[in-house]
Amino acid sequence: GNSVTQMEGPVTLSEEAFLTINCTYTATGYPSLFWYVQYPGEGLQLLLKATKADDKGSNKGFEATYRKETTSFHLEKGSVQVSDSAVYFCALSANTGNQFYFGTGTSLTVIP
Amino acid sequence: GAGVSQTPSNKVTEKGKYVELRCDPISGHTALYWYRQSLGQGPEFLIYFQGTGAADDSGLPNDRFFAVRPEGSVSTLKIQRTERGDSAVYLCASSPLAGDTGELFFGEGSRLTVL
Repeated sequence: GNSVTQMEGPVTLSEEAFLTINCTYTATGYPSLFWYVQYPGEGLQLLLKATKADDKGSNKGFEATYRKETTSFHLEKGSVQVSDSAVYFCALSANTGNQFYFGTGTSLTVIP
Repeated sequence: GAGVSQTPSNKVTEKGKYVELRCDPISGHTALYWYRQSLGQGPEFLIYFQGTGAADDSGLPNDRFFAVRPEGSVSTLKIQRTERGDSAVYLCASSPLAGDTGELFFGEGSRLTVL
């Protein structure tokens, strides 16, 4: 079956620290992989995506590389800001596109 | 605005009552999804519409849950004989192309509390 496992939080970092949130997946076929972010009081929104192995998704200074050999899609940012405080969800979509499978979310708090 | 709109934003009801939650997707989006998010969990798939028809309803937990999209736009999620375990945030999302593995556009959710 299809599933996503992501690093549990909460994570608290100082401004300008390096961020890694781990995500691994199990999937049949060749899924697309996503990171969604939920800022306080807002709906989930797409942060970045990668549709095939070795693709790197990037947006707002965040990056994640689709690693088929390790079935991973870890989220990284070199220097976090207070405005990055949010809950981050790793997700996959099976090749039919009918269902998206989400991880449990990782809460990030960045302190000045 | 032009985003996905969900109403009500909050609903408190008593055990055993009937509830309807409404989703108005982005205009022109053919695919519509319902998800349920319990506290501390990620969104859990319920049902997916391609146009007017439910293409995949395998995530509906039991026959108390039902969803419709009669004109291929607005969708209503209906919950009969609500139970305390139904308390969650119900999320709606839409996508431009049915079956596409692209981006989902989410609403802010309807928080259901069953007393």
